[in-house]
Order: sequence, then structure tokens, then C-alpha cells
Amino acid sequence: KAGVTQTPRYLIKTRGQQVTLSCSPISGHRSVSWYQQTPGQGLQFLFEYFSETQRNKGNFPGRFSGRQFSNSRSEMNVSTLELGDSALYLCASNEDQGLGGYTFGSGTRLTVV
Amino acid sequence: GESVGLHLPTLSVQEGDNSIINCAYSNSASDYFIWYKQESGKGPQFIIDIRSNMDKRQGQRVTVLLNKTVKHLSLQIAATQPGDSAVYFCAEAGNRLDAGKSTFGDGTTLTVKP
Repeated sequence: KAGVTQTPRYLIKTRGQQVTLSCSPISGHRSVSWYQQTPGQGLQFLFEYFSETQRNKGNFPGRFSGRQFSNSRSEMNVSTLELGDSALYLCASNEDQGLGGYTFGSGTRLTVV
Repeated sequence: GESVGLHLPTLSVQEGDNSIINCAYSNSASDYFIWYKQESGKGPQFIIDIRSNMDKRQGQRVTVLLNKTVKHLSLQIAATQPGDSAVYFCAEAGNRLDAGKSTFGDGTTLTVKP
């Protein structure tokens, strides 16, 4: 069974640009969550989707958005990039909602210059 | 009063020894707790979970202890191996249905010396 796949693995963008990150959950998993990981702030929750609906949203500005498609694949978008958006963005999926924890992908490393 | 282990950002142990990683969680209403292991270049990997109606849960070579009175969680790894070297995070959620929006702790870097 393939794991959670995130593309691209690495990305370099310029301040002011926008970026779209992609996540393919494990087949059959309907819950997808996104986290931002930085050395200073650790792992912080961005948003969670279940069956194409955003269930929860973390405390991030509106420049951060996401969506989930009918096949459970998810994308997140960051507009008007700032230097502080440089981070590892992690996607995680779960078969239903929670039990057994979430399976994480290896992340997309975004660098904003 | 009761003493609990302090959270340490780093922990170094000898191969074969037992490791204890501590975590203090913030929300007394949290009902579901998870330990994750993150190796370099990878995302966190689920190790074990526990609900607040339990004090202890055992897995393969790992045991999680929950002390709700002092909001403390610990992960015990038996016979630590070099492959256990990683960063360990505890995570808390209001309930298992909220596990997708878990609050993660700061992490402890475990180094296992051969």
C-alpha cells in the first residue's frame, strides 16, 4: 500500500509569489490534515479536510488555503509568500477520523527567498 | 507532592538501555494522546496512542504512561536500539475525532550510542 505522497519535495519561491502543494493520501483514507513545521514554532496545525469539507482550520492568516478533491487528494495554497513561510509542510491522512493516529508524508520543503 | 519527569529537548542513551521521554501537555480537556517518531528527512510516524480513560498502554517495546492529574505523558522504550534515534513528539487532541488537528509538543531528540 503506497504511503502519503507529497509533491514537490523541494521548492524555492520568491517573496510575493504564490505556491501550491499537493498531497495524495493513502488509498481509502478520507481525512487529510496539513501541518507547518519550523525550527522555531515546531509542528503547527494548518487545516483538516474530510470528504471534501474543511473540518478545522488552524491559526494561520488567510493567505493559507486548501481544498480536497473527491478522490481525497488535497492541495494547499499560500499566496503572497513571505520569508517566514519557509518551512516543511506536512500532509497526513487517516482512514476515518483519528483512531490510530495519522500517517504523514515526507513533506514539501518550501524556501522563500 | 508528586514528582514527574521533566521534558528534555535532548536525550542520549546507551544501546540496550531503557529510554524515558517525557511530555507535559497543556489542555486538561484533552482526551486523546499520540506519540510520533520523526526521523531525519521524513514525516512523523505513529508509535502509540492512549485515551484519557487509561493510565498505561503497551506496544511492541514501547509503553505510554498518562498522568492526568499533572497533565504528563511519558514514552518508555525498552532495550533502545540505534534505529530508535529520532525526534519524538507527543500530541494531544480533544478527542480521537480531533486527532487531525492535534497540538504537538516541542519534541525530544533521542540519540542512541552504540
